[in-house]
Amino acid sequence: AQRVTQPEKLLSVFKGAPVELKCNYSYSGSPELFWYVQYSRQRLQLLLRHISRESIKGFTADLNKGETSFHLKKPFAQEEDSAMYYCALPGPAGGTSYGKLTFGQGTILTVHP
Amino acid sequence: DGGITQSPKYLFRKEGQNVTLSCEQNLNHDAMYWYRQDPGQGLRLIYYSQIVNDFQKGDIAEGYSVSREKKESFPLTVTSAQKNPTAFYLCASSTPGTNNYGYTFGSGTRLTVV
Repeated sequence: AQRVTQPEKLLSVFKGAPVELKCNYSYSGSPELFWYVQYSRQRLQLLLRHISRESIKGFTADLNKGETSFHLKKPFAQEEDSAMYYCALPGPAGGTSYGKLTFGQGTILTVHP
Repeated sequence: DGGITQSPKYLFRKEGQNVTLSCEQNLNHDAMYWYRQDPGQGLRLIYYSQIVNDFQKGDIAEGYSVSREKKESFPLTVTSAQKNPTAFYLCASSTPGTNNYGYTFGSGTRLTVV
């Protein structure tokens, strides 16, 4: 069964420091992965997806198949980055869980001034 | 303005009562989902529906029921059989198979048992 693990429930950094939110997964096949973010009093929203290899709000994430990881990184954290972050993995195409996302437990990031 | 709407925002339920949470979308998305969000446990899937008149149990379906009579609507009923219903409930929609698996989420309903 596929699984997503975010080992850190809480992560605190100071403004301007680098930040890395960890995500590990178990999946048979070639996975697609996503990061979602939930800012205070806002809806959960897509931050970035592995397939597009984009950088959003200074965040990047690289899929490491050898380590089965998809860590989210930002070189210089800002206070407005404080939020809940979820890593997510969809079910395989063609399977009964196609389109269904499995989420990790979430990491609350706090960026101190 | 396209989006996904959940109502009510807050809901209080007495012990033994069934309550229904509403989720409506006008995004023309095929699939809809219900998740439960608890502190420290992330998002757990309750039910999902990929097409009208069809739905599947998620990881924690016991004590919940759903229907999908219209593409736009996917209501969730929390029954009296759900032992610990106090939680934040999130509805989402998507169109699997496109280049974007991204879900659109509603703003959530916070259910409290009193």
